[in-house]
Amino acid sequence: TQLLEQSPQFLSIQEGENLTVYCNSSSVFSSLQWYRQEPGEGPVLLVTVVTGGEVKKLKRLTFQFGDARKDSSLHITAAQPGDTGLYLCAGARDYKLSFGAGTTVTVRA
Amino acid sequence: EAQVTQNPRYLITVTGKKLTVTCSQNMNHEYMSWYRQDPGLGLRQIYYSMNVEVTDKGDVPEGYKVSRKEKRNFPLILESPSPNQTSLYFCASRGDEGRYGYTFGSGTRLTVV
Repeated sequence: TQLLEQSPQFLSIQEGENLTVYCNSSSVFSSLQWYRQEPGEGPVLLVTVVTGGEVKKLKRLTFQFGDARKDSSLHITAAQPGDTGLYLCAGARDYKLSFGAGTTVTVRA
Repeated sequence: EAQVTQNPRYLITVTGKKLTVTCSQNMNHEYMSWYRQDPGLGLRQIYYSMNVEVTDKGDVPEGYKVSRKEKRNFPLILESPSPNQTSLYFCASRGDEGRYGYTFGSGTRLTVV
């Protein structure tokens, strides 16, 4: 059983559309991190959110940490083919970092 | 360049033949960890180390060993590999602050036949 549940598992959209990926858990985390992974490579950190209710924006990407620090969402505005990849959320508690199973995003040109 | 280096990138071995996957980081990070990634299961933590000579089990430690004799190196040892250890393995490191993200290596694809 995954500690963090990501949804949807797969997402295919047209260039220019918006998308949202959700990451939910029954556990409380000290921080929630989002990574993006390309085929054949290791995950690369996109953002870390620490405070309940926190919202962070990176260009077209908006990350939100739930008030209770149990869930998070990633919203991409006007998606581009370069946004294609595997998006992973990860919750940190003490020295352990637990990952969701990931959401595969495909943006069609 | 700040990085985590794993070797080898690809490895095919036979059941029962001991192997070591090396991991080295050049960022002076205290914390290092090993993960395996399997389809549909995501990344699962195998072992982690908070500092030199300090290691602990993650979620799936069975069949693996680690050591941390130097700060920069954290090798993963499979004493007697089995086919169910066929997977994609990642080493990661981070500094003291848990809120900071992890830096991952490029991965080692292991096949045990």
